Amino acid sequence: AQKITQTQPGMFVQEKEAVTLDCTYDTSDQSYGLFWYKQPSSGEMIFLIYQGSYDEQNATEGRYSLNFQKARKSANLVISASQLGDSAMYFCAMREVIYGKLTFGQGTILTVHP
Amino acid sequence: EAGVTQFPSHSVIEKGQTVTLRCDPISGHDNLYWYRRVMGKEIKFLLHFVKESKQDESGMPNNRFLAERTGGTYSTLKVQPAELEDSGVYFCASSHWTGQGLVGGNTIYFGEGSWLTVV
Repeated sequence: AQKITQTQPGMFVQEKEAVTLDCTYDTSDQSYGLFWYKQPSSGEMIFLIYQGSYDEQNATEGRYSLNFQKARKSANLVISASQLGDSAMYFCAMREVIYGKLTFGQGTILTVHP
Repeated sequence: EAGVTQFPSHSVIEKGQTVTLRCDPISGHDNLYWYRRVMGKEIKFLLHFVKESKQDESGMPNNRFLAERTGGTYSTLKVQPAELEDSGVYFCASSHWTGQGLVGGNTIYFGEGSWLTVV
């Protein structure tokens, strides 16, 4: 079974600073995918970034990067130059390889202060 | 291209009543998933359709929940009779089906969720 752990219930960051949201995972699969989603107060789930287990380079999407350490089974999200609009709940998720079912972590609430 | 759409966005019903949630996936997406997040807990998988077939319904909490996807297009999730613990947000998601499993960065797109409150 797959398991995702986000140990930070809440994080605070100053506007324009960088912040790292932690995610560790556990799986016996050799091939898997890791996702980060953002859920603002409006409720929708917004896809941020994806990392495949065989990808050699860390994924980057604009201000988002994924610090993937396979041996440590961690997939931390780094947000650079935080903006007020980044305040939201952030979920880390793992996808099983065949049918795409996602297992989510508990989420981290990020608050960006001006 | 339209995203995943869900209806209703919010619903307040009394315990014992029935509610039907609808999801329209992105056109051409054979995979359709239902997830649920009850207050204060993580998002949990409910079930997965590939076209009109239920691929995995291991997450359905009990037989008060019934999901259908007639014709392999939109899906409905019916809760009958609703209980207080069913309150939460129900997400629908869709993705392409490659036929050989998901590869690469195949993304799973979520709808905005249907917020259900049972009183």
